Amino acid sequence: QVQLVESGGGLVKPGGSLRLSCAASGFTFSDYYMTWIRQAPGKGLEWVSHISSSASTIYYAESVKGRFTISRDNAKNSLYLQMNSLRAEDTAVYYCARDNSGSYPDNWGQGTLVTVSS
Amino acid sequence: QLVLTQSPSASASLGASVKLTCTLSSGHSSYAIAWHQQQPEKGPRYLMNLNSDGSHSKGDGIPDRFSGSSSGAGRYLTISSLQSEDEADYYCQTWATGIRVFGGGTKLTVL
Repeated sequence: QVQLVESGGGLVKPGGSLRLSCAASGFTFSDYYMTWIRQAPGKGLEWVSHISSSASTIYYAESVKGRFTISRDNAKNSLYLQMNSLRAEDTAVYYCARDNSGSYPDNWGQGTLVTVSS
Repeated sequence: QLVLTQSPSASASLGASVKLTCTLSSGHSSYAIAWHQQQPEKGPRYLMNLNSDGSHSKGDGIPDRFSGSSSGAGRYLTISSLQSEDEADYYCQTWATGIRVFGGGTKLTVL
């Protein structure tokens, strides 16, 4: 079955950097768009970024554009999110998700918590 | 601007049915959406995608108690024979080139 396992979350100071990883299994990773979605404590879901199967197409939410970089390694079945210049408002659980037809997530990971605080 | 509007809360009794609403912004009534469920302290789970004509396709293992329908700009999730584990947050989500949009979510309480 489809498995998505995020890692790399933790506590970081404002202005710092963090790299999240998502290990995928149970499907042909290189066939699918992938997405990062986050959820601030007690809040709703917010789309962060998505990347096409070949990494030729990438989009970001305005709130992270210029600070976050999404990437993937199809040989390693892995998705990444490099987060720089982190702010307190980036504090959230970050979910990795597989996109169906590049439209909506049809499988979600369990999430990894990122806390930005001094 | 592509926006999805959901009521913040809903409630219904155990064994009853409930219909949750997601409304697309003006000019976007033809858009398809997806419904996702998030049980307390868990990650979200995909329920179904729902087209403007009401046709829908459910995710693996989603019970028949969950169904979707559409009318104009409204997209609906109906849960019948409510069970305690249906108490959760429900999010609708749509997409356009370069963006994904989530509604604010509806917290469903099963009484």
